[in-house]
Amino acid sequence: EAGVAQSPRYKIIEKRQSVAFWCNPISGHATLYWYQQILGQGPKLLIQFQNNGVVDDSQLPKDRFSAERLKGVDSTLKIQPAKLEDSAVYLCASSLAGLAGAADTQYFGPGTRLTVL
Amino acid sequence: LAKTTQPISMDSYEGQEVNITCSHNNIATNDYITWYQQFPSQGPRFIIQGYKTKVTNEVASLFIPADRKSSTLSLPRVSLSDTAVYYCLVEGFNKFYFGSGTKLNVKP
Repeated sequence: EAGVAQSPRYKIIEKRQSVAFWCNPISGHATLYWYQQILGQGPKLLIQFQNNGVVDDSQLPKDRFSAERLKGVDSTLKIQPAKLEDSAVYLCASSLAGLAGAADTQYFGPGTRLTVL
Repeated sequence: LAKTTQPISMDSYEGQEVNITCSHNNIATNDYITWYQQFPSQGPRFIIQGYKTKVTNEVASLFIPADRKSSTLSLPRVSLSDTAVYYCLVEGFNKFYFGSGTKLNVKP
């Protein structure tokens, strides 16, 4: 079974530039998550999709970050304009479904390491 | 949302059993407890999940007391390759929180 795919694996940009990350979840997984992981910290959820609808984006800095999941399959996360503090690893994960009354196992991609200079 | 408290780091030696305890005092009735493992430059990987008492799989055991306010991940006979960060999550329907995790360092 293919895992969660992410690209690019590494990206270096100047502050105020824009950048986009792509994620292709495991086939058949309805739920997709984007996380930001700063060095030495746990992953912080940015946005959660169920199919192509947003479940939770309460921690997404909406003035500069945007995400979409058209057609309920792959997804893109964009930062525009980037700031120095956006330097982090951006992780994408997917799960089969958000089932009521039961936790759902998340499968993570390898992440994209972003460096903002 | 039930947050979790874990030790920041632990050291062990190859062949020993390692127990990592997580506190989650505000766990809700329908919440599950899940542990993930993360190696450097990789995304977290699911290890084990439980609701109460004891759960065991091929890599770990999870012990949850009756009050469910804590849980213990047990790794039998660790090896150098078990050096990683271990995260305890309390998960409900569409709600969960990754803390800072426990960095386990296994020495030869």
